[in-house]
Amino acid sequence: NAGVTQTPKFQVLKTGQSMTLQCAQDMNHNSMYWYRQDPGMGLRLIYYSASEGTTDKGEVPNGYNVSRLNKREFSLRLESAAPSQTSVYFCASGSPGLAGASEQFFGPGTRLTVL
Amino acid sequence: SQKIEQNSEALNIQEGKTATLTCNYTNYSPAYLQWYRQDPGRGPVFLLLIRENEKEKRKERLKVTFDTTLKQSLFHITASQPADSATYLCAPNSGGYQKVTFGTGTKLQVIP
Repeated sequence: NAGVTQTPKFQVLKTGQSMTLQCAQDMNHNSMYWYRQDPGMGLRLIYYSASEGTTDKGEVPNGYNVSRLNKREFSLRLESAAPSQTSVYFCASGSPGLAGASEQFFGPGTRLTVL
Repeated sequence: SQKIEQNSEALNIQEGKTATLTCNYTNYSPAYLQWYRQDPGRGPVFLLLIRENEKEKRKERLKVTFDTTLKQSLFHITASQPADSATYLCAPNSGGYQKVTFGTGTKLQVIP
């Protein structure tokens, strides 16, 4: 099992360019998440998808869009990149059980720089 | 607003000692709280989950407590080893069971 995979690992964009970060999981999890991590700010939730076909905003959704393509894949799109979006992006997945809580499994991250 | 506080200063301890990390939260009552470990350049890795009706949870050398009155969780690593050096994140759930909010983490350095 590969777990959670993310592509690309590194990316440099110019202001105004667009790109899509890809994420896939092979653990048959229902929920998927996109976070960004900045120094001193910790991990902040951008969007999440509780199940296939649903998406919801997290703490910092502005400037991003997401697509839950199927149960395995959850992509994050930057339509017009800005320097403030320079960050490390992590995708995660999990499957809350009967009790509701579940651990999250994280991908290796995408390091994005916007010039 | 909901707030999660972890000691932002690095914690340095001698090998073999017990490391204790603190997580305080305010303005809400999470139903559960998770602890993760993060190594430089990598994604967080889940360690333990403790629910509001559990006072303590153990896994090998790790122990977590959850005091809903004090709004605090303590994370202990006994017999610490240099390989335990990492940043540790606490993550109480928020806005329902699907979401957690992460603290900024405490960096632990175990000195041989």
